[in-house]
Amino acid sequence: AQSVTQPDIHITVSEGASLELRCNYSYGATPYLFWYVQSPGQGLQLLLKYFSGDTLVQGIKGFEAEFKRSQSSFNLRKPSVHWSDAAEYFCAVGEDTGRRALTFGSGTRLQVQP
Amino acid sequence: DVKVTQSSRYLVKRTGEKVFLECVQDMDHENMFWYRQDPGLGLRLIYFSYDVKMKEKGDIPEGYSVSREKKERFSLILESASTNQTSMYLCASRGQNRNTIYFGEGSWLTVV
Repeated sequence: AQSVTQPDIHITVSEGASLELRCNYSYGATPYLFWYVQSPGQGLQLLLKYFSGDTLVQGIKGFEAEFKRSQSSFNLRKPSVHWSDAAEYFCAVGEDTGRRALTFGSGTRLQVQP
Repeated sequence: DVKVTQSSRYLVKRTGEKVFLECVQDMDHENMFWYRQDPGLGLRLIYFSYDVKMKEKGDIPEGYSVSREKKERFSLILESASTNQTSMYLCASRGQNRNTIYFGEGSWLTVV
């Protein structure tokens, strides 16, 4: 069975500092990986996705993520955090067919200090 | 612009009531999903549907049912609401072949 682990429940960073959110997955085949962001009271917005090819993927809002097969990881990074990045972040894994749902991690809540 | 619409954003229901949560997508997607979101647990899949009148159980289907009579609409039904079903419910849709999954804004349900 597939699973996703986000080991950090809550992270606090200062505005302007760099950010890395961790994600580890367990999956039997080639994974399709996603990062979503959720602002308070809202649905989830896709930040970026990895299907194949270049293991470093760029997303919206200045985020990027790197797929490392050997470590079963797909960590999200941003070089300089803005106060508006405060939100909850979810990593997800799925199959390449739309028939199957994504499996989500439990989320990491990001707080940004001025 | 893609859109998944959950018509009820905030609901308060009494224990034992039958509750309907409606979701409509305008992207002609075959696949639709209902997730439940609780603090510290992330998103958990309740049910999904890959075609009209087709449905499959997710990880936590107990106490829920679904209906998909039309391609664009996927309803979640709580036959007899209980307080442990107080949660945020997220609907999503996805096309075939590795397409992105799109989410609605969520429905906050409180059962008292």
